[in-house]
Amino acid sequence: AQSVTQLDSQVPVFEEAPVELRCNYSSSVSVYLFWYVQYPNQGLQLLLKYLSGSTLVKGINGFEAEFNKSQTSFHLRKPSVHISDTAEYFCAVSESNSGYALNFGKGTSLLVTP
Amino acid sequence: EPEVTQTPSHQVTQMGQEVILRCVPISNHLYFYWYRQILGQKVEFLVSFYNNEISEKSEIFDDQFSVERPDGSNFTLKIRSTKLEDSAMYFCASSRRDQPQHFGDGTRLSIL
Repeated sequence: AQSVTQLDSQVPVFEEAPVELRCNYSSSVSVYLFWYVQYPNQGLQLLLKYLSGSTLVKGINGFEAEFNKSQTSFHLRKPSVHISDTAEYFCAVSESNSGYALNFGKGTSLLVTP
Repeated sequence: EPEVTQTPSHQVTQMGQEVILRCVPISNHLYFYWYRQILGQKVEFLVSFYNNEISEKSEIFDDQFSVERPDGSNFTLKIRSTKLEDSAMYFCASSRRDQPQHFGDGTRLSIL
């Protein structure tokens, strides 16, 4: 069985500061990894995904994440955040890229202040 | 950019009543999903649907729940005899083969 752990429920950060949102997973099989963002009163929007290949993946809005197989981690980073990055961020894993359930973490609330 | 659309945005229903949540997936997508998010908790998978049948379902998706693709565009989730604990945000998603899932904005279901 898979599990996803997002270690931080809330991350406050000042505008233009760097941020890292942590995600660890456990699985007995190879997985596909995703980060989704949820703005208030909206659905989940894909930020980035790791399917295979390079372990450093770049997504939208300046975010990137690094897959570390030995650490079973997929931490999300951004070198300089904006006020508009304030949102809920969800890490998710799946056993397949098609037709399989996404298993989500509990989410990390990123609050960016001036 | 094509979107997954869900209606209604908010549904209020009396306990014990049946409710149908509606979704219009992106037109060329083949896989369809329902998830729910109880307030303050994580997003949970309910069911996936492909080629007009359920391909995977979670423990949550018991006999109270059913899904249907009644025509070429809609994908519905029916909850029979609703309970208070069914109150949640319900998300529909769709995807193409080998592509990530795209989510709708959700339907907030409130059971009174």
